[in-house]
Amino acid sequence: AQSVTQLGSHVSVSEGALVLLRCNYSSSVPPYLFWYVQYPNQGLQLLLKYTTGATLVKGINGFEAEFKKSETSFHLTKPSAHMSDAAEYFCAVSEGTSGSRLTFGEGTQLTVNP
Amino acid sequence: EAQVTQNPRYLITVTGKKLTVTCSQNMNHEYMSWYRQDPGLGLRQIYYSMNVEVTDKGDVPEGYKVSRKEKRNFPLILESPSPNQTSLYFCASSEDRSPAYNEQFFGPGTRLTVL
Repeated sequence: AQSVTQLGSHVSVSEGALVLLRCNYSSSVPPYLFWYVQYPNQGLQLLLKYTTGATLVKGINGFEAEFKKSETSFHLTKPSAHMSDAAEYFCAVSEGTSGSRLTFGEGTQLTVNP
Repeated sequence: EAQVTQNPRYLITVTGKKLTVTCSQNMNHEYMSWYRQDPGLGLRQIYYSMNVEVTDKGDVPEGYKVSRKEKRNFPLILESPSPNQTSLYFCASSEDRSPAYNEQFFGPGTRLTVL
C-alpha cells in the first residue's frame, strides 16, 4: 500500500528566505508524486508532479521538487518566499500509471513573515 | 468556465437526518472522487468513480454512499449523519480514469457540521 509522510505540520519562513517542505513516500511500485497547494477557503490546486524522466520537476509560482528514489523523498523548495505563498501544501502519491487513486499526506501549513 | 461545483457550501444538520451533497463537473471528466479534510489528517478519500456506474471505496467509506448515474454528477449521501462526520468535504475530478495521469480539479468544498 502507498503512503505519504510530511515532516512538519507547520513551517514558518521570512519573506525572501528559502522554502523547504519535506515529503517522504512509500510505494510498492515506481510512484507518481504530486504537490498540491490549498489557499485559504479554496480547493486544492496542482503545483507540480513527477511521473518519469527528469527527477527535478519545476512547477508553478517558482516551486520545484526533486525525486530521490534512494531516500524515498520528494521535497518541495522555492528559493525565495513571497507573502502570497502562505498556504497549506499537500504531498500525494499514486502507485504508477495504474494507480486508481491518490494518497495524500497530512499537509504542511506554510507561514511567510514580513 | 471549466469547474467543479458543490452544493451546499455550508450545512449544519442534526444526527440522523439524511443529507446529500451534490457535485457536478462540466469538463467531461472520467474520474471523480470525494475527500474529507480534517485537521492533522490531511485529505482522506471516501469514494471514487472511474466511470459511469463504476464506484469504489476509498480509505474512509463507512457512513457514506455515492452513485454515478451520469458522467457529470457524483453526489455524496449521508444516510444517517453522526457528529464524527463533521468535516470539510471536497469533490474532485480528472480527465482520465487514473488521477495519476492528469491533474485533479477540486471543488470549493462543503463544510458540514453534524450536531
